[in-house]
Amino acid sequence: SQKIEQNSEALNIQEGKTATLTCNYTNYSPAYLQWYRQDPGRGPVFLLLIRENEKEKRKERLKVTFDTTLKQSLFHITASQPADSATYLCALGYKLSFGAGTTVTVRA
Amino acid sequence: GAVVSQHPSRVICKSGTSVKIECRSLDFQATTMFWYRQFPKQSLMLMATSNEGSKATYEQGVEKDKFLINHASLTLSTLTVTSAHPEDSSFYICSARDMGSLSSYNEQFFGPGTRLTVL
Repeated sequence: SQKIEQNSEALNIQEGKTATLTCNYTNYSPAYLQWYRQDPGRGPVFLLLIRENEKEKRKERLKVTFDTTLKQSLFHITASQPADSATYLCALGYKLSFGAGTTVTVRA
Repeated sequence: GAVVSQHPSRVICKSGTSVKIECRSLDFQATTMFWYRQFPKQSLMLMATSNEGSKATYEQGVEKDKFLINHASLTLSTLTVTSAHPEDSSFYICSARDMGSLSSYNEQFFGPGTRLTVL
C-alpha cells in the first residue's frame, strides 16, 4: 500500500538554526511533491512544489530537495524564527495524500 | 493567491441532526473541490472529490449516504453530514484547484476549516 512518512512528530530548535524535516514515501511514483504549513485550527497553506526533474527548490528561507531514487524529500527552514512554529505536511498525488506532519517549535 | 472560504467556521449540533458545510472559491472557478477530515493530532484524510455538475467520488470507507456532497456551481461545494453522531465530530476542510491558472495548476487552496462537534 502507499505510505507517506514524516520522520518525526515534533522538532524543537533554537531561533536562527536550520530545521530539517524528512518525508519518505513508498509505492508512489510522483511527478511532483508538495509541502504545506498548517497552523492550529486552520487549513493547510501551500508552501512549495517540487517536480521529479528538479533536485532542489528555494523560496525565501525555505529549501526543498527531492530524490526520486531514495524516494525522499527534505524540507529546510533556514535562519528559523518563532513565527515559523507550525506543523509542516508533505503531500503527494493529484488528490493530495498527506503525511502525518512534523510540528516545529522555534524557541526564541 | 486564491482564497477559499468555509461556512460555518464551527458548529455544535445534537446527535441525529444534519449539518451543512459550505465551501466557496472567492476569486476563481473550481471545477474540482476536495473534502478532507482531520482528527486531533492526525493528518488530513481525503473523504471525497467534488466535481461540478456530476456526482462526487468518495474514498474507500467513506459512506456517501452519510456525507452528501453537492457541487452546484463553479464556486460552491457543500458537504452535508446527515444524522450526525459524536464520532463524526472532527475538523472538516475543503480545498479547490484554480483550473484557470496554468502556473498554479497543481496547487490546491484550502479553506480555513469547519470544526464540527456533535453532542
